[in-house]
Amino acid sequence: DTEVTQTPKHLVMGMTNKKSLKCEQHMGHRAMYWYKQKAKKPPELMFVYSYEKLSINESVPSRFSPECPNSSLLNLHLHALQPEDSALYLCASSQDPSGADTQYFGPGTRLTVL
Amino acid sequence: AQSVAQPEDQVNVAEGNPLTVKCTYSVSGNPYLFWYVQYPNRGLQFLLKYITGDNLVKGSYGFEAEFNKSQTSFHLKKPSALVSDSALYFCAVRAYSSASKIIFGSGTRLSIRP
Repeated sequence: DTEVTQTPKHLVMGMTNKKSLKCEQHMGHRAMYWYKQKAKKPPELMFVYSYEKLSINESVPSRFSPECPNSSLLNLHLHALQPEDSALYLCASSQDPSGADTQYFGPGTRLTVL
Repeated sequence: AQSVAQPEDQVNVAEGNPLTVKCTYSVSGNPYLFWYVQYPNRGLQFLLKYITGDNLVKGSYGFEAEFNKSQTSFHLKKPSALVSDSALYFCAVRAYSSASKIIFGSGTRLSIRP
């Protein structure tokens, strides 16, 4: 099973709202990732968690706050977002953050900020 | 610095004909190379990867890719295209020396006409 699940599928929020995106995998993977993808563009890496610790933050604004409560779960907390933050947010996981491990992606959350 | 280039924004092929989606890379050291496919409003699906060994890599859905070190290329191929192959294809590279992240190409939209 190479499934990564993400909820919700769609999210519409105002600029003053607080919301969270959720990602889950049960493959025993120890690395988890958040990507942002604009239409017809490649995914852009935001955060990497390695063994439940934040290992990479690609200079993401603080209005995005990641959290890894356990090895299977990854959250992305959103607060005071801007309309330009509207995008598809993808979660991925891999067996290990190093080496040649394949990243497996979830279906994404389509976020619209009004 | 590592990078990957997909020189064609769009590739159009008639159903039943062979298809090629081009990718060239630039890394210091040995590359790990990946191909992903993305269908509309979906996450990325892993197709295949090259780590080491045989230069011809076979993947999902009848796709294959050939690693060419001298030309620093990793083109995706399929002998006979299907209409259902129409999607957005991303090449990605991870440098052996950099365990942190993969870099995606800009993507190539593949359109298969009946």
